[in-house]
Amino acid sequence: AQTVTQSQPEMSVQEAETVTLSCTYDTSESDYYLFWYKQPPSRQMILVIRQEAYKQQNATENRFSVNFQKAAKSFSLKISDSQLGDAAMYFCAYIGGGANSKLTFGKGITLSVRP
Amino acid sequence: DTGVSQDPRHKITKRGQNVTFRCDPISEHNHLYWYRQTLGQGPEFLTYFQNEAQLEKSRLLSDRFSAERPKGSFSTLEIQRTEQGDSAMYLCASSPLKGAYQPQHFGDGTRLSIL
Repeated sequence: AQTVTQSQPEMSVQEAETVTLSCTYDTSESDYYLFWYKQPPSRQMILVIRQEAYKQQNATENRFSVNFQKAAKSFSLKISDSQLGDAAMYFCAYIGGGANSKLTFGKGITLSVRP
Repeated sequence: DTGVSQDPRHKITKRGQNVTFRCDPISEHNHLYWYRQTLGQGPEFLTYFQNEAQLEKSRLLSDRFSAERPKGSFSTLEIQRTEQGDSAMYLCASSPLKGAYQPQHFGDGTRLSIL
């Protein structure tokens, strides 16, 4: 079974600084996708960024980028120029390739941004 | 694109009562998913529908839980004889394609509290 581990329950960053959120996963599959989702307090979960396992190039979306280390099964999220609106819970998630339907999530990390 | 809609946002009920939640997916999204999220944890997969067919169920979905998606549009999740352990956020998500090719879009969730 696939597992996703987020070992840091909380992190804090100063506004305008850079922060990295860690995630590791375990799978025996070769084809899969990884995601970072953001869940602000009392608001819906939204997709931040995704990475296809077959792509060596790290995904980027504006201020958000990932460091995907396939051999190490590591998938960290870097947030540059942190903003107050980035404060939220962040979940790392995995889905197998092909016709899989379910996302497997980590426990999440609470990110706070200091003004 | 009006987003995934869930109703109610909050439900408080006494132990032993039955509850029903509704999810309206994004229009033309054939694939619908239910997840459960307990405090301090990431969402856990419950069940998956392709159109009106329930194709996958998690072991978390005990006999007290039943989900339907008549006519392949909205979906309902019913919990019979609620227990304290059912207290959680119930999330619905939808996607136009199955698997990782199109990320799942989440609703705001229904927060269930069992007294």
